[in-house]
Amino acid sequence: DVKVTQSSRYLVKRTGEKVFLECVQDMDHENMFWYRQDPGLGLRLIYFSYDVKMKEKGDIPEGYSVSREKKERFSLILESASTNQTSMYLCASSYRDRNQPQHFGDGTRLSIL
Amino acid sequence: AQTVTQSQPEMSVQEAETVTLSCTYDTSESNYYLFWYKQPPSRQMILVIRQEAYKQQNATENRFSVNFQKAAKSFSLKISDSQLGDTAMYFCAFMSGNYQLIWGAGTKLIIKP
Repeated sequence: DVKVTQSSRYLVKRTGEKVFLECVQDMDHENMFWYRQDPGLGLRLIYFSYDVKMKEKGDIPEGYSVSREKKERFSLILESASTNQTSMYLCASSYRDRNQPQHFGDGTRLSIL
Repeated sequence: AQTVTQSQPEMSVQEAETVTLSCTYDTSESNYYLFWYKQPPSRQMILVIRQEAYKQQNATENRFSVNFQKAAKSFSLKISDSQLGDTAMYFCAFMSGNYQLIWGAGTKLIIKP
């Protein structure tokens, strides 16, 4: 089975802190994604990566950056956390083909105080 | 812009009943993929079923089936013989040309005993 592991289930940080969310997949997937999930809004794509060191902005990249130094790992960085970034963050990965489903981690519920 | 609309924020049915969740989408593409994902309470997002737009036949996975109406841009999910474990948020998603999934806002489905 595909395993997508997010480093934390719950995280509490302070406004202005630099926050790192880590995601690791074990299926040699080319594509990796970071989403933000808020009630009534579905999932919104923050960034995605289709290869090592490659990244593409999604719908809501402001305030975030990403890093993909190794194929299996995709990190999301909140440069200076703000309260409006309190949310559930989901990482996903998939093979390159468009018909391949995305596989998700358990999510990180991030609270910014 | 491509959009996905789920018009039912919440639904509830009795166990063993059949339930249909609606999804409509808007795109100018002719070849694309559609997905239904399930997110049980506090659990991981998982794929339920997928449909390739060029295939006329509706996809089926055990108790789950879709009614894909390409001209109407409709992609509804039917769950037969519903079970308590089907209680979850259900998301409809559309795969665009650049590997990005466009998500609906979700339908909360409650199966009552």
